[in-house]
Amino acid sequence: GQQLNQSPQSMFIQEGEDVSMNCTSSSIFNTWLWYKQDPGEGPVLLIALYKAGELTSNGRLTAQFGITRKDSFLNISASIPSDVGIYFCAGQLYGSEKLVFGKGTKLTVNP
Amino acid sequence: NAGVTQTPKFQVLKTGQSMTLQCAQDMNHEYMSWYRQDPGMGLRLIHYSVGAGITDQGEVPNGYNVSRSTTEDFPLRLLSAAPSQTSVYFCASSEQGARLGYTFGSGTRLTVV
Repeated sequence: GQQLNQSPQSMFIQEGEDVSMNCTSSSIFNTWLWYKQDPGEGPVLLIALYKAGELTSNGRLTAQFGITRKDSFLNISASIPSDVGIYFCAGQLYGSEKLVFGKGTKLTVNP
Repeated sequence: NAGVTQTPKFQVLKTGQSMTLQCAQDMNHEYMSWYRQDPGMGLRLIHYSVGAGITDQGEVPNGYNVSRSTTEDFPLRLLSAAPSQTSVYFCASSEQGARLGYTFGSGTRLTVV
């Protein structure tokens, strides 16, 4: 079954606010990825993380690979209406080619 | 480039029917995977392949078969459709596997009645 715990499940925010979401697991991951899914589309890769403690940015998005290798965080600064969608964390376990996904965080941005 | 192409986009099946969901990629990617997405469950891995002729099971393989005879194609077969297989199915491909992430198709929405 699912090995990633993603929270929160949903968020309702005002335009301009910052957003934080995270993923945790009891397992150690080799790689952490963050995806965004728009309605009716497949997920699109936002950020990839490969080293414990690594902090990577992509525009207004910043993600971190947790020191313990068991968690990851995604922050979105100054949210805009087009940030609406479902955000997924995904992780690659050591020694596995499987990519495991969290259950997603649904983001709603009110103008 | 077309990327990852899934057909059909929508399908309704009767319980017990069989069908094949098609997936093709034109990026010469070695790695391909099939996921299903259900409300509140995220994406769950059904089967994956690390190259032509090689497939392996994911989290939820029961009721599904795959084969990988070419690099480009990775069809997913439902042997005897059940209502529990109503879902949105995504095919994905990657140049170097999970480490670089996967490129996803736009999905097939399947309803089993």
